[in-house]
Amino acid sequence: DADVTQTPRNRITKTGKRIMLECSQTKGHDRMYWYRQDPGLGLRLIYYSFDVKDINKGEISDGYSVSRQAQAKFSLSLESAIPNQTALYFCATSDDGQGALGYGYTFGSGTRLTVV
Amino acid sequence: QKEVEQNSGPLSVPEGAIASLNCTYSDRVSQSFFWYRQYSGKSPELIMSIYSNGDKEDGRFTAQLNKASQYVSLLIRDSQPSDSATYLCAAVSGGSYIPTFGRGTSLIVHP
Repeated sequence: DADVTQTPRNRITKTGKRIMLECSQTKGHDRMYWYRQDPGLGLRLIYYSFDVKDINKGEISDGYSVSRQAQAKFSLSLESAIPNQTALYFCATSDDGQGALGYGYTFGSGTRLTVV
Repeated sequence: QKEVEQNSGPLSVPEGAIASLNCTYSDRVSQSFFWYRQYSGKSPELIMSIYSNGDKEDGRFTAQLNKASQYVSLLIRDSQPSDSATYLCAAVSGGSYIPTFGRGTSLIVHP
């Protein structure tokens, strides 16, 4: 099994619908992140969590919300999907503090979301 | 505003050549640097990390860091068509330890 698992892999949804993307990890990392990737724009941070009780907004959090259900689970929700939220979404995990300096991220395989 | 700059490419090299990918960063206190390889439609995969000035070699890959010039590079020797991908550079500073990513350089290795 993959260290970081994202579901679903692909999703097509209609404008205005609420949708949840799920992420689970077996790395034992406390830190989890949600990014979106658009062509030419690189990876942009949506939300991040340093432990179960800690949730932080990233650079593009508007229109999104998250839930950290357990150390291993971090979900991203689009409250009312709009077409410009069509993108590739990645969950990632990392070690804490000094470990983050040393070991980088482990990414999930991604969710390709299309909002029509 | 922390920034990591990369030439978007594409960088095209013939098979067997050395591919040189470059990255500059704005935050002088950045401590760690990472190179990720990303195939089209796939997730980024960590391939190299470097923390100290100089070179770090791992197989066909060499990462180079020059903190005075705020410059990081990745050399790929004996490039193969399977190396064709987008390469993301990332810099990490103390504090939150959240990396700043560049937008990536597209590499094409042609037979």
